Amino acid sequence: GNSVTQMEGPVTLSEEAFLTINCTYTATGYPSLFWYVQYPGEGLQLLLKATKADDKGSNKGFEATYRKETTSFHLEKGSVQVSDSAVYFCALSDLPGNTGKLIFGQGTTLQVKP
Amino acid sequence: EAGVTQFPSHSVIEKGQTVTLRCDPISGHDNLYWYRRVMGKEIKFLLHFVKESKQDESGMPNNRFLAERTGGTYSTLKVQPAELEDSGVYFCASSQGARGSPLHFGNGTRLTVT
Repeated sequence: GNSVTQMEGPVTLSEEAFLTINCTYTATGYPSLFWYVQYPGEGLQLLLKATKADDKGSNKGFEATYRKETTSFHLEKGSVQVSDSAVYFCALSDLPGNTGKLIFGQGTTLQVKP
Repeated sequence: EAGVTQFPSHSVIEKGQTVTLRCDPISGHDNLYWYRRVMGKEIKFLLHFVKESKQDESGMPNNRFLAERTGGTYSTLKVQPAELEDSGVYFCASSQGARGSPLHFGNGTRLTVT
């Protein structure tokens, strides 16, 4: 079946460091791909998405490119801040038009130290 | 606009007891989803309502779980009787009826079964 695999955390970085969180997926067809973020004490929020191969999603300085050839959707940010400390979830939706039924990865905890 | 609200935020019960979780979606959102994250693992889909109808309940783990959405507004998820492996964080999310509408998540209910 379809699945999402994320790099294990926690990831600890110093402020202004470069961030990469790896995400690979297994899916038939052409899924939509997402990154969600959960800040402490809050619910999940959509960070960015991409709906087809070679699309780049971006938001708040974060970027991820849909790579079908490597089945990957790695999350990157050039300079992290303390406020980026959160749990990041990679997810896919394999149902056309229904982006509510998602398959999530296990989440990666990011801690940014000043 | 009020977000998705879940109640209670935490619940601690003994094995064999019953617990009912509640979710109030954003007003006007036809789609309502329940998800669960167990032991820091991936977030898994439980079920999907469209208004008051169950559209997809393929993720419900067993018949100890019962979800309802009477009147197409708030939803409840009852676990009866609870088992140790039911411990985790239960998330509710809602979205509008339009195709591709983004998901809005609640803060989750942390359930601990002892």
